[in-house]
Amino acid sequence: EDQVTQSPEALRLQEGESSSLNCSYTVSGLRGLFWYRQDPGKGPEFLFTLYSAGEEKEKERLKATLTKKESFLHITAPKPEDSATYLCAVPMRFGAGTRLTVKP
Amino acid sequence: GAVVSQHPSWVICKSGTSVKIECRSLDFQATTMFWYRQFPKQSLMLMATSNEGSKATYEQGVEKDKFLINHASLTLSTLTVTSAHPEDSSFYICSATPSVGGRIDTQYFGPGTRLTVL
Repeated sequence: EDQVTQSPEALRLQEGESSSLNCSYTVSGLRGLFWYRQDPGKGPEFLFTLYSAGEEKEKERLKATLTKKESFLHITAPKPEDSATYLCAVPMRFGAGTRLTVKP
Repeated sequence: GAVVSQHPSWVICKSGTSVKIECRSLDFQATTMFWYRQFPKQSLMLMATSNEGSKATYEQGVEKDKFLINHASLTLSTLTVTSAHPEDSSFYICSATPSVGGRIDTQYFGPGTRLTVL
């Protein structure tokens, strides 16, 4: 059975303090690793799709990387508006998310 | 592009009534749509996968007679919660994917529907 585990569960950063979110996955065959951002009371917003180990994608202050067992979401110089829950998923199976809070 | 809408955004109903939630892909055709539910501070749990023109595939533990799914067109899927009870109160989210050639492409999510059953 496919599994996705995210850590940490919650992360508090000061504005400008860079960090990384971890997503460990176990799948029978990788058909995509997805990162989403979810704000309270809203549906997830698509960020990235990664398909193969070594692949990297960037969007503004976010960068996603992929290995054969893990994916990382790196946040560089975060701002308060980056505060949200970040979800990692393989097709149809989501991790529990990392709740990120960025303090000004 | 890739916008998915849901209606209603929130609904309050009495126990025993049925509630229908609509999910529409606005600017693409979605052969596959997914329905999730999410409890507070928990992640999304897949309920069912809906393919246009065929019966939905339900996840283990999800009652197909209680959660009726219809995917009548390439842009519309509906979820009907029949004889709703307070324990059905949750945040229901749909997603759609412009799946091509059997590959499960990126899912685009609707804004969710907050169901409260009194």
